[in-house]
Amino acid sequence: SAVISQKPSRDICQRGTSLTIQCQVDSQVTMMFWYRQQPGQSLTLIATANQGSEATYESGFVIDKFPISRPNLTFSTLTVSNMSPEDSSIYLCSVVSRVSATEAFFGQGTRLTVV
Amino acid sequence: ILNVEQSPQSLHVQEGDSTNFTCSFPSSNFYALHWYRWETAKSPEALFVMTLNGDEKKKGRISATLNTKEGYSYLYIKGSQPEDSATYLCAFGDQGAQKLVFGQGTRLTINP
Repeated sequence: SAVISQKPSRDICQRGTSLTIQCQVDSQVTMMFWYRQQPGQSLTLIATANQGSEATYESGFVIDKFPISRPNLTFSTLTVSNMSPEDSSIYLCSVVSRVSATEAFFGQGTRLTVV
Repeated sequence: ILNVEQSPQSLHVQEGDSTNFTCSFPSSNFYALHWYRWETAKSPEALFVMTLNGDEKKKGRISATLNTKEGYSYLYIKGSQPEDSATYLCAFGDQGAQKLVFGQGTRLTINP
């Protein structure tokens, strides 16, 4: 299994500002995934963070809005830039089991409210 | 665009009753179907990862079945308890991908 420490757990931010969310994993992993769940919606993949290369963004998500850093194999950050109320969501980071390559492990989530 | 649908979106069940809910997913390029339990303020926790058509898995009072040909999975909870209250997520993994596509979740509330 993998233990992921994610912070902050929640925040209330003013529109137009930026928030950086951090995830620390207790083991080295090749890929880390960042998800968002808007109210009433599915958990949606934002991007895959690869160590040593640029993140891979899913359709509808761009680097300028959600810059990601991946300085080493145990840590990643996601920044939500120039926030608007539509960015109010739960953000989750995730890694996949190295053993089964299937089961996913998640951080505790960041509940973001933009006012 | 891969579409994963869960129903119902929310469910209220009396303590002690049994319940079930559904996840439907694409029947092509199937690799794995995941079920997660997500309690408020906690990390989603894996319940099952299912890969074979006809698979049935069980963990305590919770079980799941899988039909990859028709693209659906059922999650069953027997004798519901208040601690079963959570959002239950299913996720579809397709061939060759480590990315998961999630459904909207079923929010289950157990009434004491």
